[in-house]
Amino acid sequence: GAGVSQSPRYKVAKRGQDVALRCDPISGHVSLFWYQQALGQGPEFLTYFQNEAQLDKSGLPSDRFFAERPEGSVSTLKIQRTQQEDSAVYLCASSAMGTPGGEKLFFGSGTQLSVL
Amino acid sequence: AQSVAQPEDQVNVAEGNPLTVKCTYSVSGNPYLFWYVQYPNRGLQFLLKYITGDNLVKGSYGFEAEFNKSQTSFHLKKPSALVSDSALYFCAVRDGGNNRLAFGKGNQVVVIP
Repeated sequence: GAGVSQSPRYKVAKRGQDVALRCDPISGHVSLFWYQQALGQGPEFLTYFQNEAQLDKSGLPSDRFFAERPEGSVSTLKIQRTQQEDSAVYLCASSAMGTPGGEKLFFGSGTQLSVL
Repeated sequence: AQSVAQPEDQVNVAEGNPLTVKCTYSVSGNPYLFWYVQYPNRGLQFLLKYITGDNLVKGSYGFEAEFNKSQTSFHLKKPSALVSDSALYFCAVRDGGNNRLAFGKGNQVVVIP
């Protein structure tokens, strides 16, 4: 596609529900990132994939958060047993190279998650 | 661990006046520095980056930024602000040794007609 696509755009979940957020990166991009952006804050790193390999998941806040990219393209961020503090915008970004270094990231518009 | 500080919450500037958005960083290795802009209901868009070389970096929409190693700063500048520059601006740094990009909390820029 022309850019990074995320779905759904908005998600409302009751506390305790599981949610799945999808990211379609730019075709051919090797690197994929997930970020969490709380209201009034900058994006916080969650996890990083190089193709299908999850090379860094140190930013995932708890074991309720799980991300996958099984075929090295589309990625899904899953949050189990959602809690109110999970409410945030979840951003996906991709870059062309496998070693991001000085590469710029292309961001999707994000999924705004509201946990009631 | 790398980090970024953007000391001001909001920057107000009159249209046509110079615009400066401040950023300082902390890394253990060589810094890769970036500025991104976020418009309402849209994803972050890349403006410019510093990797190495000339300390003055030029980017999109007439923006530029100056890398100052001694002050660990990377301030964003524009000589003449437009109303359309009103947006949220994020400074980010990547330590050359790893893949994660660390963002500041952002600065809201308001350009007054």
